[in-house]
This record gives sequence, C-alpha cells and structure tokens, in this order.
Amino acid sequence: QVQLVQSGAEVKKPGSAVKVSCKASGDTFSSNAISWVRQAPGQGLEWMGSIIPLSGTRNFAQKFRGRVTITADEPTSTVYMELNSLRYEDTAVYYCARSASGDWARFDYWGQGTLVSVSS
Amino acid sequence: QSALSQPASVSGSPGQSITVSCTGTSSDVGGHDYVSWYQQYPGKAPKLLVYGVSKRPSGISNRFSGSKSGNTASLTISGLQAEDEANYYCSSYTGSATLLFGGGTKVTVL
Repeated sequence: QVQLVQSGAEVKKPGSAVKVSCKASGDTFSSNAISWVRQAPGQGLEWMGSIIPLSGTRNFAQKFRGRVTITADEPTSTVYMELNSLRYEDTAVYYCARSASGDWARFDYWGQGTLVSVSS
Repeated sequence: QSALSQPASVSGSPGQSITVSCTGTSSDVGGHDYVSWYQQYPGKAPKLLVYGVSKRPSGISNRFSGSKSGNTASLTISGLQAEDEANYYCSSYTGSATLLFGGGTKVTVL
C-alpha cells in the first residue's frame, strides 16, 4: 500500500522560506509524478506544481513559477517543496499527491497535509 | 488561469440523486478526458472518486458517476446518504502540463 508521509507543521515569518517534505513508501518511487496542492483556510484546492523523480521533469502553475522549488531525493524516496518570499496569504495546508501510473492528472494517493502558518 | 467553476453548494434528501457541475473551457475540461473528482471531509486529505471523466477507482461505490458534455463535467451521486455530506472538487488537465481544480462544492444531505 502506498503511503505519503509529510513533515510537521511550520510557523514562518513573512519574507522567509519554508521547505516541506513528502516521503513515499510501498511502491516504486521514481516513475510516478508527485504534485503539491495547497488549501488556504476555508478555501478550495490549488495545484502548485509537480515533479517526476525519474526524469527530474518539473511543471509549475504560472502563479508559482519562480517562487516554488520542487526537488526529489531518490535514495530516500522523498520529495521536497520549498516556497520562498512567504506572504500572509500563503498560510495553508500543503498536500503532496501521487499521480497514478500512466495518468498524470489522476491523484490516487495523498499525504496527510502540512499546515504552514505565515505570521509576524 | 482561473479555477474551474463549481456551484458553491448542492443539497438533497437521503435517497435522492444530485449532480455537481464543473465548467471550464475548451482548453481544459472540453479539450481533454482527464477530468477527476475528489471528495474531502473537513480536516482530511482529498480522496479520488472518479478519474478519466467517468472511471471509478477500485473500492469506490457505483453511486458515484461522472460524465462530460462540452466544457462541463458532472458528478452524480445517486441514493444520497448521510455520509456523502462533504466537499467535492473537480480537476482537469489543461494541456500545458498543468492542472486546474474547481472551487469546490459543499454537498449537504437534508
């Protein structure tokens, strides 16, 4: 059974950066894309970007290009999402989600979510 | 890109059928068959209900069904049950290696 386990909650100041991890287990890691999706309090889901660990291919939503970095460490089956220049409106729960094999747009497994709070 | 358009709320009585719509454009919903639907309870991660417009993952009740016409996709919940009260999100591939979610619909069981 595939499991995605994310790092714990973070409190950050405006202008700083946050790095959230997502460790995968239970299946092959490298060939399935991992996406990051965030959800502000009381709001909907927002896709931020993705990485295919095997190829290093990355894609980003226009809104986050230049401010988000997604990396993968194959030996530890861990994907990282770093968001820079944090603003109050970046306060949200950040989820990692795995794409199904052969269907990038289908997220069949999700992490438990990581709350990132931006506060002065 | 703007989020896909979903009604803020839909309600129905137990046993009834309800439909949640998801409207996009010819660049996303209308242009690809990569539409998915997710169910989310408060404080929990989303769960995949439907993918590829109308396919269900193993273990998902056949009370949930998906369809698409033009730029609008739909999720129908038949035989509505109390446990179906949750938030529902559609998503669509956009053709430029990006993905859009809908704004979400709160389903209330009366």
